[in-house]
This record gives sequence, structure tokens and C-alpha cells, in this order.
Amino acid sequence: EAGVVQSPRYKIIEKKQPVAFWCNPISGHNTLYWYLQNLGQGPELLIRYENEEAVDDSQLPKDRFSAERLKGVDSTLKIQPAELGDSAVYLCASSLGGLARSTGELFFGEGSRLTVL
Amino acid sequence: AQKITQTQPGMFVQEKEAVTLDCTYDTSDPSYGLFWYKQPSSGEMIFLIYQGSYDQQNATEGRYSLNFQKARKSANLVISASQLGDSAMYFCAMSGVYTGTASKLTFGTGTRLQVTL
Repeated sequence: EAGVVQSPRYKIIEKKQPVAFWCNPISGHNTLYWYLQNLGQGPELLIRYENEEAVDDSQLPKDRFSAERLKGVDSTLKIQPAELGDSAVYLCASSLGGLARSTGELFFGEGSRLTVL
Repeated sequence: AQKITQTQPGMFVQEKEAVTLDCTYDTSDPSYGLFWYKQPSSGEMIFLIYQGSYDQQNATEGRYSLNFQKARKSANLVISASQLGDSAMYFCAMSGVYTGTASKLTFGTGTRLQVTL
């Protein structure tokens, strides 16, 4: 079974340019997460989807970040315009729903590493 | 609010020896889950082990065990018989069960483990 797929793996852009990251979760996983991981830090939640609904986007900087999961499957995270401080790894994860051990843990993709020059 | 503290930025262990990675937590939720993830250089987060706050016994998964001491709010990871492939970043994380904390992992800053010959 395929895991969580993210693209691109690496992206280098100049500041003020737009960038988009794509994530395809594990088939059948209703819950999708986007996490931000700064260098030397643990991941921090940006947004969580239950199917196509964003149920927790309190940590998403809405002035420049946006996300969508239109059909409740794959998702796109966009930054426009990018700033120097956005350089980080953007991790996508999925789960069956909830975090109780009986329903499964989060499954992460390999991440998209963004460098803003 | 939930908080995870990992006080060991880096640890060294010799191959075949056991190592303990420390994790303390703070939460107001009466029920919660504790997780450990491994992040190799490839970037993806790999689930290792889960402990529910009301589980009577400490969790074990192969060479991984979780030393859960509820009164001390600690959830240390013990890796027995270390292997070279265990070299990676290790993150402790927790989730609650109520709205706002359920289905959301809060991570610590991680511990980098280096296994030596």
C-alpha cells in the first residue's frame, strides 16, 4: 500500500514568489494534516481536515497561507507571497480519524523542504 | 494547553546497548495519549509506540518500550539493543481527547540519537 505522497520534495524560490505543495494521503484516510517543521524543532500543526472540511486552522497564517482539500482526498498548501522565514519543511500526514491507538496513528509523508532566498 | 519537553538535544549510545530518551509533558486533559516518532534523515516521521494515559501497563513494541510514570508526567522511550539504523531524531508527542486537543499531536523539540560502533 502506498504511503503519504508529497511533492515537490525540494523547492527553492525567491522571496515574494508563490509556492504550492501537494499531498496525497493514504487511501481511505479521512483526516489530513499539514505540519510545519522548522530546523531543529518538532512539527507544528498548520491545519487539519476531516474529509473536505478544515476543522482546525487556528495556526495557519491566513494572510499568506491557504490550503484546500476540495474532494476530501488530496490537498494543496499554498504560500503567497513567500517570506524568508517560511523556509522550513512542510509535512503532510493522514490518519483514519482521531488519534486513539485503536484508530491508528498519524502516517507522515517525507515532507517538502522549502528554501526562500 | 499541552506541552512536551525533551531536554536532551543529543544522545550517543554504543551498538547493542540500551538507551533512554527523556520526555516530560504537561496537560490539563484528564485523558490523553503519548506517542514517540522517529525521523531519519529522509525526513518522514515514523510511528514507534503509543501509551494511553489510562493504560495499566507500559507499552512495548519490539525493541521499544515506553516508561510511563503518570505522577511524574514522564513518558521516556527505552530502546534496547541499539542498532546503527536507530540513528535518527526522536520526537515525543501527545494528544488530548477533547475538542481542540483531540486529533492533534503536539510535539517536543526532539532528541538526536547517534549509535556508534
